[in-house]
Amino acid sequence: GAGVSQTPSNKVTEKGKYVELRCDPISGHTALYWYRQSLGQGPEFLIYFQGTGAADDSGLPNDRFFAVRPEGSVSTLKIQRTERGDSAVYLCASSPSGSYNEQFFGPGTRLTVL
Amino acid sequence: GNSVTQMEGPVTLSEEAFLTINCTYTATGYPSLFWYVQYPGEGLQLLLKATKADDKGSNKGFEATYRKETTSFHLEKGSVQVSDSAVYFCALPENTDKLIFGTGTRLQVFP
Repeated sequence: GAGVSQTPSNKVTEKGKYVELRCDPISGHTALYWYRQSLGQGPEFLIYFQGTGAADDSGLPNDRFFAVRPEGSVSTLKIQRTERGDSAVYLCASSPSGSYNEQFFGPGTRLTVL
Repeated sequence: GNSVTQMEGPVTLSEEAFLTINCTYTATGYPSLFWYVQYPGEGLQLLLKATKADDKGSNKGFEATYRKETTSFHLEKGSVQVSDSAVYFCALPENTDKLIFGTGTRLQVFP
């Protein structure tokens, strides 16, 4: 079956612009996660959805970052007024129900802010 | 909060050599422990896991034992192949949802 997909695979933008990154989880997975991976580092947690609601958004670095999952499936990570420090690979993962289940990762979106 | 410390890479080995990648953790309670692998050009995928103390996770010839006494979960393989070249991440959950990852260890295997 299809795995987690993310679009676009690469995004180049200019400082100050707005970007949206999309994640399509595995069908039927109720838990969805966003992580950010900087060069040479492990993924860092951003936000976790259980269904439509954000159950834990403690990893969002500031109020420029926002994520939604309006129908409990596809999720969009939105970044306003991008900064060069936002450049990273943004990873999405899903799992059947959260709570220690294996997380299945997408290929990521590489964001470059010039 | 929970944390993970991994040995720094890159680890460079010849084919058929023995591999150890060290991982130690700090955690509240006894969470499950994971090794994820990221092959070149691919997404992260679960390699193996252990859910309680003294459990041994294994997959594709890799093994790791959950050692409560030493708070460790070292990854081992008896004979590495060129196709094992990848970045390996040790991870554990926090608050039953998010995963906390180590910084990753790059393994390069040469024929």
